Amino acid sequence: KAGVTQTPRYLIKTRGQQVTLSCSPISGHRSVSWYQQTPGQGLQFLFEYFSETQRNKGNFPGRFSGRQFSNSRSEMNVSTLELGDSALYLCASSLGQSYTEAFFGQGTRLTVV
Amino acid sequence: AQTVTQSQPEMSVQEAETVTLSCTYDTSESDYYLFWYKQPPSRQMILVIRQEAYKQQNATENRFSVNFQKAAKSFSLKISDSQLGDAAMYFCAYRIYTGNQFYFGTGTSLTVIP
Repeated sequence: KAGVTQTPRYLIKTRGQQVTLSCSPISGHRSVSWYQQTPGQGLQFLFEYFSETQRNKGNFPGRFSGRQFSNSRSEMNVSTLELGDSALYLCASSLGQSYTEAFFGQGTRLTVV
Repeated sequence: AQTVTQSQPEMSVQEAETVTLSCTYDTSESDYYLFWYKQPPSRQMILVIRQEAYKQQNATENRFSVNFQKAAKSFSLKISDSQLGDAAMYFCAYRIYTGNQFYFGTGTSLTVIP
């Protein structure tokens, strides 16, 4: 059974550009959540999707957005990149909202220069 | 607001010895889950152990066990017979009963000394 797949693994972008990150959950999983990990702020919740609907959103500016497709794959988009957006972005998938087990991908390392 | 605090940024343990990582949390919810995740250099977050708040019995998974004190809002992880492969960053996490939003502590970097 394939795990959570995040693409790309590494990304370098320039300030002001936009970026799209992808997360393919484990087959059959319908819930996907996204986290930003930085040395200074630790792991912070970005948003959660379930059955193509955003269920929760963390305290991030509107430049951060996401969506989920009918096959449960999710994308997150960051527009007008800032240096502070450099981070490891992790996604986690689970069967549904009340399941305790959540599986994480290996993350996308975004560097903004 | 839910917060998770790990007061030990770094810990070290001799191989085969026992180490305890501390975690406290704050919540007004009565139903929730607590987790310990391990993040090795590969960056993959791996579930170590979980505890349902409504269960009084402490969870155990092989060499890993927790000391869950609900009234004190404390959730420590004990690793017995430490192995070199246990070296990693350990994160304590909280999740409300419904939903898939985790709140993480700042992590404890564990070094295992041969």
